[in-house]
Amino acid sequence: DAKTTQPTSMDCAEGRAANLPCNHSTISGNEYVYWYRQIHSQGPQYIIHGLKNNETNEMASLIITEDRKSSTLILPHATLRDTAVYYCIVRGLQSGSARQLTFGSGTQLTVLP
Amino acid sequence: DTAVSQTPKYLVTQMGNDKSIKCEQNLGHDTMYWYKQDSKKFLKIMFSYNNKELIINETVPNRFSPKSPDKAHLNLHINSLELGDSAVYFCASSQDSGGHNEQFFGPGTRLTVL
Repeated sequence: DAKTTQPTSMDCAEGRAANLPCNHSTISGNEYVYWYRQIHSQGPQYIIHGLKNNETNEMASLIITEDRKSSTLILPHATLRDTAVYYCIVRGLQSGSARQLTFGSGTQLTVLP
Repeated sequence: DTAVSQTPKYLVTQMGNDKSIKCEQNLGHDTMYWYKQDSKKFLKIMFSYNNKELIINETVPNRFSPKSPDKAHLNLHINSLELGDSAVYFCASSQDSGGHNEQFFGPGTRLTVL
């Protein structure tokens, strides 16, 4: 079962920042926060991950609260191609099934022209 | 130069048939996966496999079996297909099953059981 809670849907104006929240209040100390997205009719795509520090890459930024109970994925300048379902996933590095990605229902982000 | 490829893209078949979906990755990865995405869009892990271990999600019926002829391939065999097997099946791969290695997904195979 997914350990995260996300809003069902969000809209964002093209060119503006998209801020996607995720709650993971039961996250344990050795679990990481991962973000993937799924554009319609395609396979999921990795975006970013983090443990407790904020992270940034060419796709997005990840802000994790100090208590690690929530995080926000930021797409700094959303484009129409960013319209997708965004999944926030908590994942440990232990052996076996705990390492697997467990997808929840995600947030449908729609970028509006 | 597709990283993870699946065939066929669409598969329509009758109940009771046996079918296979093929997956190939050219990334040199050690671990491959199969996921099922149902009509409600929930994406669930079915198997993860490398040369050391096969991890099976306990909810997967034993009619489903992964078969890996080599490290670059993980095929999904389904016996005695049922209506509820209709879904999109995604293959994925990662450098290994541990660490932070991102998973790369294939384009999916839409299976329709009539």
